[in-house]
Order: sequence, then C-alpha cells, then structure tokens
Amino acid sequence: AQTVTQSQPEMSVQEAETVTLSCTYDTSENNYYLFWYKQPPSRQMILVIRQEAYKQQNATENRFSVNFQKAAKSFSLKISDSQLGDTAMYFCALYEAGNMLTFGGGTRLMVKP
Amino acid sequence: SAVISQKPSRDICQRGTSLTIQCQVDSQVTMMFWYRQQPGQSLTLIATANQGSEATYESGFVIDKFPISRPNLTFSTLTVSNMSPEDSSIYLCSAAEDRASSGNTIYFGEGSWLTVV
Repeated sequence: AQTVTQSQPEMSVQEAETVTLSCTYDTSENNYYLFWYKQPPSRQMILVIRQEAYKQQNATENRFSVNFQKAAKSFSLKISDSQLGDTAMYFCALYEAGNMLTFGGGTRLMVKP
Repeated sequence: SAVISQKPSRDICQRGTSLTIQCQVDSQVTMMFWYRQQPGQSLTLIATANQGSEATYESGFVIDKFPISRPNLTFSTLTVSNMSPEDSSIYLCSAAEDRASSGNTIYFGEGSWLTVV
C-alpha cells in the first residue's frame, strides 16, 4: 500500500525568505505522480506543483520548485521569496495511475511579515 | 485544466436528515473521487465514483451511509445519510484528468462544508 509522510506539522518563515517542506512516500509502482497542494483558510485545495515519476528533471512553477529524489522516495517543496499569501496548509500527495490519491498529514506554513 | 464545481459550498443540517452534494466537471475525466476532511486533519478517501456502476468504497465507509452516483463522465453526487454531528466535515470532490501530453493531474472542487446540529 502507498503511504505519504510529512514530518513537519508546522513551519514558519519570514517574508521574502526561502522555506523547504519535506515529504517522503512509499510505493511499489514505477508509474506514479506526486503533487503538492495548498489549502488556505478558504479550504480550497489548490494544485501547486506536480511531478511525473519517470521524469528526472525537477518540476518548477514560478517561486515553487521540488527536489525529487526517486531512489530515496523523497519529494520536498521549496518556496522561494515567501509571501504572506503563501500562509496555508500544504499537502503532499501520491497518485498511482488508475488508483487513488494518497495524502500526507499536512504541514501548516506560516509566513511572518 | 479541469474546473470542478461543487455545491452546496456550505450547509447547516439537522441531525437525522440527509444531504446530497453535487460535483460537476467541465470536461470528461477518467476518475472521480470523494474525500472527507475533518477539522484540522488531512483528507480521507471515501470512495471512487465509477461511471455507470457502483462506487468503490474505502475501509470504514459504506454505501448505505454515503451513497454515490456517477451517471456520466462529468457528474457525480455524494449523499451523506442520516447525519450526526460526527459527520460535520468538509467533503471534497476530485477528478483525475489524464492527458496524453502530460499524464495525470488531480483537481479538486471548492469543497462542501457541512455542519450537523
């Protein structure tokens, strides 16, 4: 069975600084996808970034980038130039095609002015 | 990207009643899912909504309590039956979009925040 672990329940960062959120996972599949979602107080689940397991290149979306270490089954999210609007819960998730999306426990990120 | 509309966005329900949540996707998607998120917790999968057949439920969730329909590739409903205060949660619909060019991406609706009194 697939599992996703986020070892940091809460983190804080100063505005304009860089922060890295950790995620490890376990799966027996070779074809899967990894996602980071942001959930602000509005409760909307917003897709931040996705990574296909077969791609070695780390995904990047503007200020958000990942460090995907397939052998170590690690998928961390780096947020550069943190903004107050980045304050939210962040969930790491694993999807095996045709299966279900498995979530980590979440990391609450607070960006401080 | 797929856009998912979910309604109601919020409701206050009486104990013992049932409520149906609707989920509409603006494009055909391969898979649709229903999640529950209790206060302060992560998301838990209730079931996978299968088009034209019975939903596939996860451990701890049963059809009598959470009947699900998916009559076509873009629409699904989740009913929370005989509600109790323990059912107060956010219920989220999600859909898997599978594109030949970019593979799978999972999107979410805005969520339905139910409070049972």
